[in-house]
Amino acid sequence: GQQVMQIPQYQHVQEGEDFTTYCNSSTTLSNIQWYKQRPGGHPVFLIQLVKSGEVKKQKRLTFQFGEAKKNSSLHITATQTTDVGTYFCAGFNDYKLSFGAGTTVTVRA
Amino acid sequence: ETGVTQSPTHLIKTRGQQVTLRCSSQSGHNTVSWYQQALGQGPQFIFQYYREEENGRGNFPPRFSGLQFPNYSSELNVNALELDDSALYLCASRKDTHYEQYFGPGTRLTVT
Repeated sequence: GQQVMQIPQYQHVQEGEDFTTYCNSSTTLSNIQWYKQRPGGHPVFLIQLVKSGEVKKQKRLTFQFGEAKKNSSLHITATQTTDVGTYFCAGFNDYKLSFGAGTTVTVRA
Repeated sequence: ETGVTQSPTHLIKTRGQQVTLRCSSQSGHNTVSWYQQALGQGPQFIFQYYREEENGRGNFPPRFSGLQFPNYSSELNVNALELDDSALYLCASRKDTHYEQYFGPGTRLTVT
C-alpha cells in the first residue's frame, strides 16, 4: 500500500533560523496536503498542492510538490515560537489521505 | 460556519467493551472520514462515509464500524476493545468536490 515518509522526525530550531522538512511517497500522488498539529490539538489544514512542480507560499512558509508528484517539502524562514508543533504531510489517492509520521518542531528562544 | 465537533472529549473503557464515538461535520460538508492517531504517530485512516455509505477503508478489522446519517453526522463504533485501541480518534469532514479535510478536536480513548 501507499507509504508516506517524513524526515526529520524532530527539528530543534533557534528562533530566527530557517529549516526544511521533507516528505516522500512510495507512489505517485493525486495531490499532497500539509497539516499542522499543535501540542494537545488536532491537525489543521495548511495547504494543498496538486500540480507537478507546484510551489506555494504562505507568509514565511514555502511548500513545494516534486516534478514526479512523489515528494514534497515545507520550508520555514525566520522561525518563530508560534511555529512550534508537528507538521504532517498527507498524500491523497482515491478516497483517502495517508499521513506521514510528522516532523515535530521545537524552537529555542 | 460551524466547525467539526466530536463527543465525548475523553473516554475510559475496559478491554472487551464496546464504544461509540460521535461526529458532527462542518456545515456544507457531505463526506466524513475517521482516523486513529496513536501517541507520537500520524493519523491512520480508518474509513470514509459518503451519502450514508462506507466508500473507503483502511487496514482496520471489522470490529471498527461506522454510520453516517442524513444530516452528514457520523458515528464510529468499536467492538471488543483491545488495549492497543487506546488513541486519539479524529473525525474529518470535507465537501466531496474538495480534497482538503477539516478535523474535529478528537476523542481521547483509553482502554484499560
